Amino acid sequence: EPEVTQTPSHQVTQMGQEVILRCVPISNHLYFYWYRQILGQKVEFLVSFYNNEISEKSEIFDDQFSVERPDGSNFTLKIRSTKLEDSAMYFCASRPQGPSREQYFGPGTRLTVT
Amino acid sequence: AQSVTQPDIHITVSEGASLELRCNYSYGATPYLFWYVQSPGQGLQLLLKYFSGDTLVQGIKGFEAEFKRSQSSFNLRKPSVHWSDAAEYFCAVGAGNAGNMLTFGGGTRLMVKP
Repeated sequence: EPEVTQTPSHQVTQMGQEVILRCVPISNHLYFYWYRQILGQKVEFLVSFYNNEISEKSEIFDDQFSVERPDGSNFTLKIRSTKLEDSAMYFCASRPQGPSREQYFGPGTRLTVT
Repeated sequence: AQSVTQPDIHITVSEGASLELRCNYSYGATPYLFWYVQSPGQGLQLLLKYFSGDTLVQGIKGFEAEFKRSQSSFNLRKPSVHWSDAAEYFCAVGAGNAGNMLTFGGGTRLMVKP
């Protein structure tokens, strides 16, 4: 069964450094998402992406964040200058066109900012 | 703005006992509703979804949920819990627009006693 994959599974970085989190959505899916989950807290929406542009973003998704679909298969989340509070599990999700709206989640990347 | 409340942070049940996890949502239109399960260190797996039709929906692993519009609820049930059901369960509501960001509840951690 096709699944969403994410790399790396764990990323450790120093405050102020740039990080890129990578996702490969399911191949025939058209909508892509990033969510994050700070340890012990709820899963929070960051951004949705469709037709090569952002369709919706949350207040968390400020100018330090950007997303890109560079090559038709990967979907990336970049954090330009990481802060301690960016430490979280980051989940990528995708969904196909159609009425059911169910999103398929990847296993996540744990980002630790020191 | 949409929101989801899961009133029970932790629930402990005995193996073989029945289970009900509560979920209340706030959304101005007909919601898209989902239950996801997260095992330790894992991503989010979809258990079941509701977006129209029969208000009692069946999911994987023997779970079901009932949409009650009058109570703004979408409670998850299982008649007989197995030790492998121990995990964290998240209820989510999806917006009706094309972007369809998901808003998650805080989660309920289920523990199963032998």
